[in-house]
Amino acid sequence: DQQVKQNSPSLSVQEGRISILNCDYTNSMFDYFLWYKKYPAEGPTFLISISSIKDKNEDGRFTVFLNKSAKHLSLHIVPSQPGDSAVYFCAASFTSGTYKYIFGTGTRLKVLA
Amino acid sequence: DTEVTQTPKHLVMGMTNKKSLKCEQHMGHRAMYWYKQKAKKPPELMFVYSYEKLSINESVPSRFSPECPNSSLLNLHLHALQPEDSALYLCASSQDRGTGRYEQYFGPGTRLTVT
Repeated sequence: DQQVKQNSPSLSVQEGRISILNCDYTNSMFDYFLWYKKYPAEGPTFLISISSIKDKNEDGRFTVFLNKSAKHLSLHIVPSQPGDSAVYFCAASFTSGTYKYIFGTGTRLKVLA
Repeated sequence: DTEVTQTPKHLVMGMTNKKSLKCEQHMGHRAMYWYKQKAKKPPELMFVYSYEKLSINESVPSRFSPECPNSSLLNLHLHALQPEDSALYLCASSQDRGTGRYEQYFGPGTRLTVT
């Protein structure tokens, strides 16, 4: 039972354009969401997060949007750069109680120069 | 310092061997994690330690044995592994929930091959 899903395994975007990565979850008890970026042979690196009490969080070129009613979040990267090419994972967690994190299946982003 | 270190980087072991993976962080984080990641799959949670106590064991086989000797160190002891246990083993840490900071910091991983 995959509680966090990223339905697009891969995405190609031209340099300078917007990249939109999507993530869906099923457990309405999740109240904190994170995006990580992973290069080959490295551990995931934290990018940006959002609490369920917000619908948008922005940090530089990265913006995360949360639609709680649809149980959907998205990561926007504007403008996309070749160095953004990596695998992106969304993750869902809880702000109290358990330290459990559930990761999505990942989307491989390729930014074309 | 936002670094989590893991040793060794690569490990090849036979099914009868005993080995250990090590993880260290000096960020004062009180939660530490072991994940297993297979190719083209997401990281899969194995164990969580909170304040040096095991708080989550995701029904991991007993051939994997975690240990948290102190707040900075996390070990994963391996014994009688199977070839299907070959994977990237990731360690992570995070602050206490009460700080309002929930992001995890990951180490580079140990690439384990069981022959």
